[in-house]
Amino acid sequence: RKEVEQDPGPFNVPEGATVAFNCTYSNSASQSFFWYRQDCRKEPKLLMSVYSSGNEDGRFTAQLNRASQYISLLIRDSKLSDSATYLCVVNRGGGYQKVTFGIGTKLQVIP
Amino acid sequence: SQTIHQWPATLVQPVGSPLSLECTVEGTSNPNLYWYRQAAGRGLQLLFYSVGIGQISSEVPQNLSASRPQDRQFILSSKKLLLSDSGFYLCAWRGTGAEAFFGQGTRLTVV
Repeated sequence: RKEVEQDPGPFNVPEGATVAFNCTYSNSASQSFFWYRQDCRKEPKLLMSVYSSGNEDGRFTAQLNRASQYISLLIRDSKLSDSATYLCVVNRGGGYQKVTFGIGTKLQVIP
Repeated sequence: SQTIHQWPATLVQPVGSPLSLECTVEGTSNPNLYWYRQAAGRGLQLLFYSVGIGQISSEVPQNLSASRPQDRQFILSSKKLLLSDSGFYLCAWRGTGAEAFFGQGTRLTVV
């Protein structure tokens, strides 16, 4: 089983829609979680960290479900500019140095 | 603030030629540094990471090597490139919160 798994999509949604992505992880000892955004032919950029209590940044909400070992990203009122690939990142912490990325979920917001 | 520089942005090399990609970080000391590769339409594959000068961990057997001659310098090399080495190479450093920050990447095409 892969350490981090994501549905690659693509998710095609109309402008203004709400869309959610999940990302499952295999190691229950994982401690740090993040969502990244990657535009076509560009480097990934940190979108937001994922906290145990959940966190929100404008139209974006990230949540962590430790019992089921997944993190989620919810985007409300989708904009055309949200079109990108969204990567989840899981880090085991505790001195473990590797930062593991999911394959990414491609989102296409259509007018 | 911390910045990460990676060059060149694009590179076209013939099969069998050598490779040297350089990455430097500013504004931080003793960072964890990473080299990733992203093949077309694929996820990020961790190639190497380094926790300090001269300390290199290799994630997958391959035609590449890495070196860290200085605290904030990370180099990716190959003696003889293969066609399968084509891809988008990304250098990253890890922050205190375990999130990774990327350079702009080098798009390598082996012909």
